[in-house]
Amino acid sequence: EAAVTQSPRSKVAVTGGKVTLSCHQTNNHDYMYWYRQDTGHGLRLIHYSYVADSTEKGDIPDGYKASRPSQENFSLILELASLSQTAVYFCASSDLGQDTQYFGPGTRLLVL
Amino acid sequence: GDSVTQTEGQVALSEEDFLTIHCNYSASGYPALFWYVQYPGEGPQFLFRASRDKEKGSSRGFEATYNKETTSFHLQKASVQESDSAVYYCALSNTGANTGKLTFGHGTILRVHP
Repeated sequence: EAAVTQSPRSKVAVTGGKVTLSCHQTNNHDYMYWYRQDTGHGLRLIHYSYVADSTEKGDIPDGYKASRPSQENFSLILELASLSQTAVYFCASSDLGQDTQYFGPGTRLLVL
Repeated sequence: GDSVTQTEGQVALSEEDFLTIHCNYSASGYPALFWYVQYPGEGPQFLFRASRDKEKGSSRGFEATYNKETTSFHLQKASVQESDSAVYYCALSNTGANTGKLTFGHGTILRVHP
């Protein structure tokens, strides 16, 4: 079965440190997305990508970078982690021309 | 920009009660509408979608009808079970923009008591 996996599943980071969240999909999908989930805000789009080696800014990109080295892999990078970036992060993928997205299990990030 | 507004906070029901979670949208063009469900400790799962006026989407006993006049896509289920306890998200995709991006509502927590 096609799947989206994320690593790590949880992480504790220190403020000012660098954090990399990874996402891998076996759906053979072209589009990949990073969201953050906060109580009261639902899911908000951080970055997305249509194709390998290219990324686009979503609705809340400040403080985050993204990298898409291959069709299967999409990373979210926090160069200088801050307390406000404590949240649950979800990766998703969708097929070209299709708008249904398939989500990974999430990464719970706590920044201290 | 596009937006989705859904029933705020939490809905508490007993088993076999009727469920309605309201969803209203604002978007340019003719968006596709979605419901996603998220169980504790998991990522959101696609429930169903509808892409044209009067179309009904359904899955697992849940259903919603696309209403362009009232810009709504309310989720309903005739008889909920404790296993339906989860967070439900309404979302839209602005197909005219052709980006695949989804705009989500804030989510509604459903708690079903035995």
